[in-house]
Amino acid sequence: GQQLNQSPQSMFIQEGEDVSMNCTSSSIFNTWLWYKQDPGEGPVLLIALYKAGELTSNGRLTAQFGITRKDSFLNISASIPSDVGIYFCAGLNMDSNYQLIWGAGTKLIIKP
Amino acid sequence: NAGVTQTPKFQVLKTGQSMTLQCAQDMNHNSMYWYRQDPGMGLRLIYYSASEGTTDKGEVPNGYNVSRLNKREFSLRLESAAPSQTSVYFCGSGRSGANVLTFGAGSRLTVL
Repeated sequence: GQQLNQSPQSMFIQEGEDVSMNCTSSSIFNTWLWYKQDPGEGPVLLIALYKAGELTSNGRLTAQFGITRKDSFLNISASIPSDVGIYFCAGLNMDSNYQLIWGAGTKLIIKP
Repeated sequence: NAGVTQTPKFQVLKTGQSMTLQCAQDMNHNSMYWYRQDPGMGLRLIYYSASEGTTDKGEVPNGYNVSRLNKREFSLRLESAAPSQTSVYFCGSGRSGANVLTFGAGSRLTVL
């Protein structure tokens, strides 16, 4: 099935560093979503993007809907220990309002 | 406010056994979803229900059946479990469409 290419797969960072991750697709999306999953829990929505070029913030998180509609970026500023987890991008294209397509995730690990 | 509740949290089956995963949401959401999550992969949609009384196949429906019992409840049934169905299963719900989903904590299934 169709998948999004999400990178990097994992990141080892120091507390206080900024983090960037991205997702790309070969097809156009109408909606881009960023979720975070903590161990033993389901994904939780962080940011939703609905318009090409849109830049949206949620606290220290900022995400952008790429102008080509084929990519999206998530930045985390001044990382803290509770940022640890797996971040997923997901998208909806014109084929369906119900079938989200998911990236494989970026695992964020903070070095002690 | 419970959100999305899944039961059981853990289950071990032998090949060929059957079982049902239960999901209930208390947010008056119209659409409900069953996903599976395997290591190193994004979530994959098994089945979804756009509204009470309807169900549709997702990306990986083979070996599963679903029932939208009422607006609150959406169950996933494995009729004859196979080792390939070892996975973590997540139920999600949304007001309309899949653009903002709330997920349960997951059900970890092992098939021996």
